[in-house]
Amino acid sequence: QVQLQQSGPGLVKPSETLSLTCTVSGDSISSYYWSWIRQSAGKGLEWIGRVYTGGSTKYNPSLRGRVTVSLDTSKNQFSLRLTSVTAADSAVYYCARGLGTALGVPEAYWGQGSLVTVSS
Amino acid sequence: DIVVTQSPDSLAVSLGERATITCKSSQSVLYSVDNKDYIAWYQQKPGQPPKLLIYWASTRGPGVPDRFSGSGSGTDFTLTIASLQAEDVALYYCQQYVAAPRTFGQGTNVEIK
Repeated sequence: QVQLQQSGPGLVKPSETLSLTCTVSGDSISSYYWSWIRQSAGKGLEWIGRVYTGGSTKYNPSLRGRVTVSLDTSKNQFSLRLTSVTAADSAVYYCARGLGTALGVPEAYWGQGSLVTVSS
Repeated sequence: DIVVTQSPDSLAVSLGERATITCKSSQSVLYSVDNKDYIAWYQQKPGQPPKLLIYWASTRGPGVPDRFSGSGSGTDFTLTIASLQAEDVALYYCQQYVAAPRTFGQGTNVEIK
């Protein structure tokens, strides 16, 4: 059974870069697609973006080019990088995997969530 | 972006009774290549990530009890809990995944009456 373990700092200063990593066990990172989703009280669940096998990506335009999702196949990990953060980026961040190897399926397996607060 | 709207925002149902949540998308979520509706339903309990209940509008996810069912097509969808159990108290979300960015409804809080 696939497991996703998230890691990264819980506090980030305004204007700096938020970086989170999701380590995958029980599956190869080279299959499936891998997503990041965040949840805040004000905006509910917000899909951030995803990376697919081979490294192709798709992002939420609302994040205006601040986001990068990438794969590290050597470590069986994928990562989120969000630059120029503000208080509005404070949220619980989740990594997730698609249900199957195709893109036309929803996220089915989720990490435990990482609370990230943007504050000086 | 496709806007997804759920109703009601909150729902109180007696144990053993039926709970029904609706989800409406601002445009069709039918994917013409495979003729499937790209709507999913999730359940979220406090302190936990969302759990996939239903995908392709009516297919139950892995390990999901058969009291959960989904229906609908095009832009209008329904999640039904046939006989509400105490462990079903949670927030429920629908999601469209036919187009990026994937978008979620605002959530429906289900509680026991």
